[in-house]
Amino acid sequence: QSVLTQPPSVSGAPGQRVTISCTGSSSNIGAGYDVHWYQHLPGTAPKLLIYGNNNRPSGVPDRFSGSKSGTSASLAITGLQAEDAADYYCQSYDSSLSGYVVFGGGTKLTVL
Amino acid sequence: QVQLQESGPGLVKPSETLSLTCTVSGGSISSYYWSCIRQPPGKGLEWIGYIYYSGSTNYNPSLKSRVTMSVDTSKNQFSLKLRSVTAADTAIYYCARGPVITMIDNWGQGTLVTVSS
Repeated sequence: QSVLTQPPSVSGAPGQRVTISCTGSSSNIGAGYDVHWYQHLPGTAPKLLIYGNNNRPSGVPDRFSGSKSGTSASLAITGLQAEDAADYYCQSYDSSLSGYVVFGGGTKLTVL
Repeated sequence: QVQLQESGPGLVKPSETLSLTCTVSGGSISSYYWSCIRQPPGKGLEWIGYIYYSGSTNYNPSLKSRVTMSVDTSKNQFSLKLRSVTAADTAIYYCARGPVITMIDNWGQGTLVTVSS
């Protein structure tokens, strides 16, 4: 049971727009902690896609964008491409107990 | 570009200690937070803990009683020890870097560790 909740899967046709939600609580996203997003292809190192809610590292296409509101965050992918098929994870920080890094359960994106 | 490389036994017996070493190349281990993260088969990512280059640590509350992390700045390495392992600890284990406590910006390729007799 992950602290952050993501849909298990989403899908879209090439060229379409998809969004992936990430729902937390008042002790993590709602407490003001940043949300980061990672793209993960099995067998490879996860890649930082969005940091600080809505910032793209150098080299990440502007087709990827992030947003945050209240206790939730979202990742949007526009102009869907076959190479975007991967698992996507959101990540934040939880202030409960002594504080710790938390992940969403991951969302598998299928490009139809 | 910094690179992280995990190393350790691919097979550990139940009740024994899992040991993982992470080697950092292409950059200094100083001034960063170094994490271990795992992914059990068919499941999502789970943060195990981090160690700052100075040696301060913080662990996932669910694993805290079994985890110890250490750092060797002279070798640009940090390590994980997970005690009393069971089959539930079978996972791909990743080493990762964070510029701040709340974020991870660089990951290793991961190494599969299987717990089995």
